[in-house]
Amino acid sequence: DAGVIQSPRHEVTEMGQEVTLRCKPISGHDYLFWYRQTMMRGLELLIYFNNNVPIDDSGMPEDRFSAKMPNASFSTLKIQPSEPRDSAVYFCASTWGNTEAFFGQGTRLTVV
Amino acid sequence: TQLLEQSPQFLSIQEGENLTVYCNSSSVFSSLQWYRQEPGEGPVLLVTVVTGGEVKKLKRLTFQFGDARKDSSLHITAAQPGDTGLYLCAGEDSSYKLIFGSGTRLLVRP
Repeated sequence: DAGVIQSPRHEVTEMGQEVTLRCKPISGHDYLFWYRQTMMRGLELLIYFNNNVPIDDSGMPEDRFSAKMPNASFSTLKIQPSEPRDSAVYFCASTWGNTEAFFGQGTRLTVV
Repeated sequence: TQLLEQSPQFLSIQEGENLTVYCNSSSVFSSLQWYRQEPGEGPVLLVTVVTGGEVKKLKRLTFQFGDARKDSSLHITAAQPGDTGLYLCAGEDSSYKLIFGSGTRLLVRP
C-alpha cells in the first residue's frame, strides 16, 4: 500500500476563498482522523470517522469547517470561507482499530 | 476535555547526554503512543504502551507508562544527532479517539 495520501501538498489561497483538502486512507483501515498542526497549538484533533461515520467533531473550530467521508477510500476537509488564521499544516491519519496511526505527509495551507 | 501536557517543550543537548521527556494528563487512557516527527513529514510511531507500569525499550529509547495510565516518559540514553526531532505522545481513549500532546522539540548537537 502507498500509505495515506493527501493532496495537495501545498495550497496558497486568498482570504474568503473555499479550500478543499483531500485524503485517501490506507485500504482496510476503519478509522480516519483529521488534525491541524501549528507551532502555537501543536497537533489538534479536528474530527474523526469510524467506518465513514463521523464520531467526534468537537475539535472543528467553527462552522466554516466541514468534513465528509463518502466512502472508505476518500475523505475531504473543507474550509469556506478561509481566513489567514486557518494557515497551518493539516494532517490526515488512518488506523485499524487501536493500532498504529499512519499519517499522510500533510497539506501546508497558507491563507493570505 | 482530555489534555496531554509534555515537558520540556524544547531541549537542546550535547551528543552523548541522556534526557527524559514527560507526558502528563489528568485522564486515563487505554493506551499511550509515542511518535517522532521530522520536518515536512507526518508523525511516525515509535512505541505503544498499554499496561499500567509497562516499560518498553527500543535500542537507546526507554518508554514507561504510569501505573494509573495517566502519564508516560521517554528516556533517551547517549543521545545522537540523529535523534533530533519533534517527539509527541498520544493518548487513546476507549472510543479509539487519539489526541496528541503539545510536543517536545529535541536538538542534539554534535
